[in-house]
Amino acid sequence: SQKIEQNSEALNIQEGKTATLTCNYTNYSPAYLQWYRQDPGRGPVFLLLIRENEKEKRKERLKVTFDTTLKQSLFHITASQPADSATYLCAPPNSGNTPLVFGKGTRLSVIA
Amino acid sequence: EPEVTQTPSHQVTQMGQEVILRCVPISNHLYFYWYRQILGQKVEFLVSFYNNEISEKSEIFDDQFSVERPDGSNFTLKIRSTKLEDSAMYFCASSDRHNEQFFGPGTRLTVL
Repeated sequence: SQKIEQNSEALNIQEGKTATLTCNYTNYSPAYLQWYRQDPGRGPVFLLLIRENEKEKRKERLKVTFDTTLKQSLFHITASQPADSATYLCAPPNSGNTPLVFGKGTRLSVIA
Repeated sequence: EPEVTQTPSHQVTQMGQEVILRCVPISNHLYFYWYRQILGQKVEFLVSFYNNEISEKSEIFDDQFSVERPDGSNFTLKIRSTKLEDSAMYFCASSDRHNEQFFGPGTRLTVL
């Protein structure tokens, strides 16, 4: 079955630094992959979607890469701020295309 | 900005009772979903709904669960006979195509 792994449960970084979060997937080849942000007690909020034919996607301070050979996506937040502190979820679709398969997430803490 | 709404925000029920969780998806969206998140665990897919029928469902979505779109705006999840292990946050989501999903704020279900 499809498996999603995010590199670490928690990541602490200093304000202003670049945060890099990793998502690895196994046992399938998704046509795209999405990243979401989740704050405690709230629903996930969509951030970025990257397709298999795209190497990189950017939105303001966010950048996502998608390496279909390595079966890996990297999510970067540049010039990180304390307000970026949240859990970030990697979510490719499952084999049926529409429902999302979420990783456990990486809890990012940006320290001022 | 349009958003997905869910009611109630918190539902407490006794084991064995029926509960109905309600969602109002974004008005021009065609795909509707229910996910759940047990405390401290990952977001899990339950069911997707398109064109007035279930398009996919997970192993979690057994005979105790049902979904309905009773009118043009509401989308409901019914749990017929709740169990202790049904305690979780339930998120409704909607999308206009196979792309980003917009999540509601969730309903916290507590089964005693």
